[in-house]
Amino acid sequence: KNEVEQSPQNLTAQEGEFITINCSYSVGISALHWLQQHPGGGIVSLFMLSSGKKKHGRLIATINIQEKHSSLHITASHPRDSAVYICAVSGNQFYFGTGTSLTVIP
Amino acid sequence: EAGVVQSPRYKIIEKKQPVAFWCNPISGHNTLYWYLQNLGQGPELLIRYENEEAVDDSQLPKDRFSAERLKGVDSTLKIQPAELGDSAVYLCASSSRPGDTQYFGPGTRLTVL
Repeated sequence: KNEVEQSPQNLTAQEGEFITINCSYSVGISALHWLQQHPGGGIVSLFMLSSGKKKHGRLIATINIQEKHSSLHITASHPRDSAVYICAVSGNQFYFGTGTSLTVIP
Repeated sequence: EAGVVQSPRYKIIEKKQPVAFWCNPISGHNTLYWYLQNLGQGPELLIRYENEEAVDDSQLPKDRFSAERLKGVDSTLKIQPAELGDSAVYLCASSSRPGDTQYFGPGTRLTVL
């Protein structure tokens, strides 16, 4: 059983579409993290949040602590958003999801 | 500000050979992580350091893997002897405190032949 589950595993979208990636977790956490990994590239931290919502440019992350669920939204998607998006939670330990591979087609 | 530095970026060795990876975290970050990432998978924690103390090494295969963080700054991860199944990307990350945002290095891609 994975402590962090992401959906979908793979996602293809047309440029300009609104994208949502979901993350559910089963452990107690102090924070949830959204990470981005481009093909062959390093991992970049996008958000760390413990409640509510955060926004950075076209990216929005929300978390519902009661439901143990978080979503990452990308508005007006662009081909450069193509990457793997990883959800991770931190508490006593760090747990990572397996990632969502996003491809945005021009 | 310099990010997390790792070397080498790529390493190809034959099985049963030793290999070592080096990581220099962001200045001032007390927490350092070593992860293993297989293709299409999320990172898996190998070991976490708080300063020079290894506080979580439960997932480190201690029969062949070892790590050290002398002086609480740079860290080295070693595999001896390497096996075919060790082929993966080895990531180093650091954070100012446990649970805070982690900053990842570019990783070392290891191929064991």
